[in-house]
Amino acid sequence: DTEVTQTPKHLVMGMTNKKSLKCEQHMGHRAMYWYKQKAKKPPELMFVYSYEKLSINESVPSRFSPECPNSSLLNLHLHALQPEDSALYLCASSQLVGQGAIDEQFFGPGTRLTVL
Amino acid sequence: DAKTTQPNSMESNEEEPVHLPCNHSTISGTDYIHWYRQLPSQGPEYVIHGLTSNVNNRMASLAIAEDRKSSTLILHRATLRDAAVYYCILNRAGGTSYGKLTFGQGTILTVHP
Repeated sequence: DTEVTQTPKHLVMGMTNKKSLKCEQHMGHRAMYWYKQKAKKPPELMFVYSYEKLSINESVPSRFSPECPNSSLLNLHLHALQPEDSALYLCASSQLVGQGAIDEQFFGPGTRLTVL
Repeated sequence: DAKTTQPNSMESNEEEPVHLPCNHSTISGTDYIHWYRQLPSQGPEYVIHGLTSNVNNRMASLAIAEDRKSSTLILHRATLRDAAVYYCILNRAGGTSYGKLTFGQGTILTVHP
């Protein structure tokens, strides 16, 4: 199984809502990533988890809260988002060979988020 | 992080070879050159990576200049399915990069039937 799954596929939420995005992989990968992609722009890294610990936070606002409950699961908790946070949220995973420089990252199809 | 420069767009005909260039003049000795592509409405997909030597896999070939300041992704016979945005990314070994990928603008490849 070389698949990264993400749920839900689409999400519409108001600015006062709390919601969560879920990502799952069963490849035994030890690194998991969240990226944000605005329309017609490249993906931008948000967070990296290695061995279930947060390794990189790219100065993401606290209204985005990542969680890695175990090595197969990655969540992104959303609270008090703004309309400009509307984007495609991509999850990825990799084996983390060494420090990851030669890793192949496997991406999920993404969750398309709309904030009203 | 060292940056990459790619043409905004390129066009090809089906079943012809495609050479996608990437400049990375400030590359450091520990930077690996990675290529990913993103098909419409999908997440990015790994294509190939290399350090100094040319590399081949089932999807493509990667030709790396001797001074490593540029590289070329080669699709040997383009198909309609190869129409995508192609990203050239430098991934630094060591330190605390943890496989951090910094995507540039990429090259939009159009393949004509």
